[in-house]
Amino acid sequence: NAGVTQTPKFQVLKTGQSMTLQCAQDMNHNSMYWYRQDPGMGLRLIYYSASEGTTDKGEVPNGYNVSRLNKREFSLRLESAAPSQTSVYFCASSGPGTGTSSGNTIYFGEGSWLTVV
Amino acid sequence: DQQVKQNSPSLSVQEGRISILNCDYTNSMFDYFLWYKKYPAEGPTFLISISSIKDKNEDGRFTVFLNKSAKHLSLHIVPSQPGDSAVYFCAASAGGSGGSNYKLTFGKGTLLTVNP
Repeated sequence: NAGVTQTPKFQVLKTGQSMTLQCAQDMNHNSMYWYRQDPGMGLRLIYYSASEGTTDKGEVPNGYNVSRLNKREFSLRLESAAPSQTSVYFCASSGPGTGTSSGNTIYFGEGSWLTVV
Repeated sequence: DQQVKQNSPSLSVQEGRISILNCDYTNSMFDYFLWYKKYPAEGPTFLISISSIKDKNEDGRFTVFLNKSAKHLSLHIVPSQPGDSAVYFCAASAGGSGGSNYKLTFGKGTLLTVNP
């Protein structure tokens, strides 16, 4: 059971280049998310998709676009990368919790390290 | 404006003792709270959650306490083990624990070090 899989794991971009981060989940979850983590900043929501065919902005959407390709896949695109977008990006999906969790839990992928020079 | 605050960037405890990690929030609409653990170079992993209708939830060595009037929650780990050394994130949702508006706001994290 792979859970949430994101690619690439590492990427170096030049300022102005574009790229797409790919994410897929195999847990049949409706909701998917993209977060970024910066030193001392915790995780901040970029975009999310509550269900196939819908996307909504999160806390820090500027400079990004997303596509919910189907129920499994949710991609994040940087059209013109900037050094401020150097970060670790996490894709996630939401589904029933485990253990004593009373509600849905958000499950994360392993992260994509992006450096923009 | 930071809605979820973890005011202690780091905490160090001895193996076998209790670890207490604290979290404060400002948004009174938050109604579901979670704790995540994160090791370096890995994604956050879910630990434990609590709904606003409860004041305590326990799962093995982990207990989360919620004080709604103080807008404060804490995670207790008893006994602490060296493998618990990680960054712990507090997170909150204003959209319940599921549904179309379910998304999390995270604190900045607390680095817990458990010394053997």
